[in-house]
Amino acid sequence: NAGVTQTPKFQVLKTGQSMTLQCAQDMNHNSMYWYRQDPGMGLRLIYYSASEGTTDKGEVPNGYNVSRLNKREFSLRLESAAPSQTSVYFCASSYTVSSTDTQYFGPGTRLTVL
Amino acid sequence: GQQLNQSPQSMFIQEGEDVSMNCTSSSIFNTWLWYKQEPGEGPVLLIALYKAGELTSNGRLTAQFGITRKDSFLNISASIPSDVGIYFCAGQWAGGTSYGKLTFGQGTILTVHP
Repeated sequence: NAGVTQTPKFQVLKTGQSMTLQCAQDMNHNSMYWYRQDPGMGLRLIYYSASEGTTDKGEVPNGYNVSRLNKREFSLRLESAAPSQTSVYFCASSYTVSSTDTQYFGPGTRLTVL
Repeated sequence: GQQLNQSPQSMFIQEGEDVSMNCTSSSIFNTWLWYKQEPGEGPVLLIALYKAGELTSNGRLTAQFGITRKDSFLNISASIPSDVGIYFCAGQWAGGTSYGKLTFGQGTILTVHP
């Protein structure tokens, strides 16, 4: 089992460009999440999907959109990238959103916006 | 929103020494989690705590869920070079609009000198 996979691993964009970060999990989890990690700030939740067909905003959703394509895949889209979106993006999944279900993280996508 | 304060921000220790780090919150959590992140990887769960006062060990790691539900600590005994990484605390509140969302501390960077 690969667990949680993310593509690409690295990306450089120019301001105003768009891109989609891909995430897939093979653990048959119902819930998936997107976080961003900035130096000295820990991880902050951007969006999450409690189950297939639902998505909800997290702490920092502005400038992002998400799509829960199916049970396995959850993508994050930047429509018009800004330098403030330079960050490391992590996807995670868990069996449910219950506080007793562990969230498992992917290896991250390192995004630089020039 | 909920905030976690994690301390210390960084630690430089000699191999064999014990390590302590802690997190405090402005509000209560139902679950406290401790993650470790190594360079280029996503966070990996070390210990999960589900009840106030709970003390849980995982090898050389011991963590406690504070009685007030607003704090947690992690101890690492007899540190070794492979303990190097960033340690994050995270809290989860199973109620209201925060359901399913992890709130992370800023991280403690641990360096172990052989």
